Amino acid sequence: AQSVTQLDSQVPVFEEAPVELRCNYSSSVSVYLFWYVQYPNQGLQLLLKYLSGSTLVKGINGFEAEFNKSQTSFHLRKPSVHISDTAEYFCAVSSNTGNQFYFGTGTSLTVIP
Amino acid sequence: GAVVSQHPSWVICKSGTSVKIECRSLDFQATTMFWYRQFPKQSLMLMATSNEGSKATYEQGVEKDKFLINHASLTLSTLTVTSAHPEDSSFYICSGLAGGGFGGELFFGEGSRLTVL
Repeated sequence: AQSVTQLDSQVPVFEEAPVELRCNYSSSVSVYLFWYVQYPNQGLQLLLKYLSGSTLVKGINGFEAEFNKSQTSFHLRKPSVHISDTAEYFCAVSSNTGNQFYFGTGTSLTVIP
Repeated sequence: GAVVSQHPSWVICKSGTSVKIECRSLDFQATTMFWYRQFPKQSLMLMATSNEGSKATYEQGVEKDKFLINHASLTLSTLTVTSAHPEDSSFYICSGLAGGGFGGELFFGEGSRLTVL
């Protein structure tokens, strides 16, 4: 079975500062990794995903994440955040069959003007 | 990316009534759709997995007779909350699996907020 841990439930950061949202996973098999963003009262939108290949993945809105197999991590980063980045961020892992997704508990990012 | 449309966005109903929420994949065929429930400031709780043309698979603790899921076509899945009560008030989100299999990608609807009075 797979599981996802997001260590930080809330992350406040000043505008234009860098941010890192942490995600660790556990799995006995190969997995695919995803980051989703959720704005208030909306569904989830895919930020980026790691399937294979380069461990550094670039997504939308200037976000990137790095897959680290030895540390079983997939941390999300942005070098300079904007007010509009204030949202809930979810890390997810899919099983090797691809039809089951497991979500972390989410990290609430608040960008302070 | 692909689009999943969820309707209605907001619904308020009286206790004891039933409410149907629709989830449509507009530009792809979703053989698998997932239904989630989300409480305020919490993560998504998977309720059930529905596959087109077959019975849904419910997660442990989810009442299948209360949350009826139908996946009649490759582009439509419905969730019916039967005899709704105030404790069923929540944000319900559906997602469709595009591509399927290894590396398939989830596309989410915008969610439906149910308030039971």
